[in-house]
Amino acid sequence: KQEVTQIPAALSVPEGENLVLNCSFTDSAIYNLQWFRQDPGKGLTSLLLIQSSQREQTSGRLNASLDKSSGRSTLYIAASQPGDSATYLCAVRGNYQLIWGAGTKLIIKP
Amino acid sequence: EAGVTQFPSHSVIEKGQTVTLRCDPISGHDNLYWYRRVMGKEIKFLLHFVKESKQDESGMPNNRFLAERTGGTYSTLKVQPAELEDSGVYFCASSWTGLTGELFFGEGSRLTVL
Repeated sequence: KQEVTQIPAALSVPEGENLVLNCSFTDSAIYNLQWFRQDPGKGLTSLLLIQSSQREQTSGRLNASLDKSSGRSTLYIAASQPGDSATYLCAVRGNYQLIWGAGTKLIIKP
Repeated sequence: EAGVTQFPSHSVIEKGQTVTLRCDPISGHDNLYWYRRVMGKEIKFLLHFVKESKQDESGMPNNRFLAERTGGTYSTLKVQPAELEDSGVYFCASSWTGLTGELFFGEGSRLTVL
């Protein structure tokens, strides 16, 4: 049974810092991994999708890596801004279902 | 192009009442999914449609939940009768055919059962 863990559960850093969010999964037989962002009271915004054959994906200040064999993904945020404050979720896809982590709540202090 | 839309955004009902949530997927997306996040827990899969057919409903908690997707377009999720533990945020997502496509989510429908 696939399990997804996100560490840390919460993170507070000063504006401008680079930071890394971690996601680990127990079953490496996945099709892809997707990182999402959720703002309070809002929906889920897809940030990056990494297919199982890929090692990383980049979008602006965000870079996500995937090491399928070790069951790990990281989301790197460069030069963090207060607007990056949100909950970040990773989800892996082994079939048609997404299996979700509990999320990392990120606060960027001005 | 319109994204995934869900209605209502928030519903407050009393235990025992009925609520119907609606999801309009992105036009042309054959796959439609329902997920739920109960307070303090991870987001969990409920069910998956391919066009109008239920592909996987293994995540539906019990027979008080009924999902339909008429004509392969919009979908409804009915909870009847609602219980306190049904409170949470219900998310709908859609994607193109296949297993590797990106899922696009709606804003969610927050259900509060009193």
